Amino acid sequence: GAGVSQSPRYKVAKRGQDVALRCDPISGHVSLFWYQQALGQGPEFLTYFQNEAQLDKSGLPSDRFFAERPEGSVSTLKIQRTQQEDSAVYLCASSPRDRGGETQYFGPGTRLLVL
Amino acid sequence: GDSVTQMEGPVTLSEEAFLTINCTYTATGYPSLFWYVQYPGEGLQLLLKATKADDKGSNKGFEATYRKETTSFHLEKGSVQVSDSAVYFCALSDLYNFNKFYFGSGTKLNVKP
Repeated sequence: GAGVSQSPRYKVAKRGQDVALRCDPISGHVSLFWYQQALGQGPEFLTYFQNEAQLDKSGLPSDRFFAERPEGSVSTLKIQRTQQEDSAVYLCASSPRDRGGETQYFGPGTRLLVL
Repeated sequence: GDSVTQMEGPVTLSEEAFLTINCTYTATGYPSLFWYVQYPGEGLQLLLKATKADDKGSNKGFEATYRKETTSFHLEKGSVQVSDSAVYFCALSDLYNFNKFYFGSGTKLNVKP
């Protein structure tokens, strides 16, 4: 079946612009995660949804970052007034159940470059 | 807090050489441990996992054993191929606080023919 998809794959924004990144998880997956991956580093957790509920947003770096998953499927990560330090790859992942030990299935990522 | 440390790369090996990539972790609860692989231009893919102490995860000739006594989950392969060239990430999630993964910084493997 289809994996996790993300769009756009690449985004160039001018500093100060707002951007919206989309994630389509695997159908039926309960849990959805967003990560930020800086160049040469491992992914770092941003936020987590269980269905439509955002249960953990402790990793969001500032109040310019906002995520939603209104119907418990597609999710959008929005970054307002982008800054150069927001340049990174944004990864979305989903997992089928809401329990420990579950594999997270990752999308290809959106590479954001802020000029 | 929870964290993962893995050996820095790049690691360069000749085809058919033995591979070890070290990974150690710090966890306050009951971690599950994972190895993910990222091929050039692609997303992260699960390579193998182990959910409790002494479990061995294996896939595609790769193996890793969950060692609680040494807090380690080293990745091994007996004979690498050029197609194994990729970046490898060690990760953990807590069994009861499972809403996030903690990743290491990644180890790039280059295999020469």
